[in-house]
Amino acid sequence: DIQLTQSPSFLSASVGDRVTITCRASQGISSYLAWYQQKPGKAPKLLIYAASTLQSGVPSRFSGSASGTEFALTITSLQPEDFATYYCQQLNGYLFTFGGGTKVEIK
Amino acid sequence: EVQLVESGGGLVQPGGSLRLSCAASGFTFSSYAMSWVRQAPGKGLEWVSGISASGASTYNADSAKGRFTISRDNSKNTLYLQMNSLRAEDTAVYYCAKRTHYGDKPAFDYWGQGTLVTVSS
Repeated sequence: DIQLTQSPSFLSASVGDRVTITCRASQGISSYLAWYQQKPGKAPKLLIYAASTLQSGVPSRFSGSASGTEFALTITSLQPEDFATYYCQQLNGYLFTFGGGTKVEIK
Repeated sequence: EVQLVESGGGLVQPGGSLRLSCAASGFTFSSYAMSWVRQAPGKGLEWVSGISASGASTYNADSAKGRFTISRDNSKNTLYLQMNSLRAEDTAVYYCAKRTHYGDKPAFDYWGQGTLVTVSS
C-alpha cells in the first residue's frame, strides 16, 4: 500500500504568513494527489486536485506543487479563515490513503 | 445542489453490527464512484471502502477487509456500509464522499456531514 508522510504535523503561524505543508509518497503516484481543508466539526473540503489544480471557488492564495514523490501545499498570506487542519490524499489505483494531517494554528 | 446525508450511526457493543446509509441528491448518483472515509475522535482521516459507479467493483482498506461491505442502490440514490464484528477502534465519524474525475485525475469533491459510530460496552 502507498503511504503518505505529511509534515509538519503542527504549524503555528500568524495572519499574513506564507506557509508550506509537504506530503511525501512512499512510491510514485504521478499527480494523483489531492489536498483537503478540514475545520473542527466539519467535513473536509477539496482545495486542490491533480497535485496543483485549484478547485473552483478556492482562493488563489492556495497552491499546490509536485516534484517526484514530494508534494507541497502553499498558502501565501495566511488569512484567519485558513486556520484549520490540512490533509493530502493519494488517489493512484483503487486503495486511497490520506496523510496524517497538518494542523495550522494561530501564533 | 449536491447533498450527501449519512444516517445509521449510534452506539453498538463490541462484536455487533451496524449499517450506515448515505442518501445522495443533486447529481446523477449512478454515474459516480463513492467512498466511505472515517475519522476517529481527535485523529486524522482514514479511507475505508470504495465502490464503482455501477456497484460492480468494491475496494476496502485492510482495516475493513472481511468485516465491512460497501454497496449501493442506484435506484434509491443510496450508498451503504454494512459493518460487522465491530471493535472499539472502529469508533469514528463516518463520512460518505463522492468521487469525481477531472480528466483522468480523481478527487473527492463532495462529502456528507458524517455519522458517529461508537463501539463500546
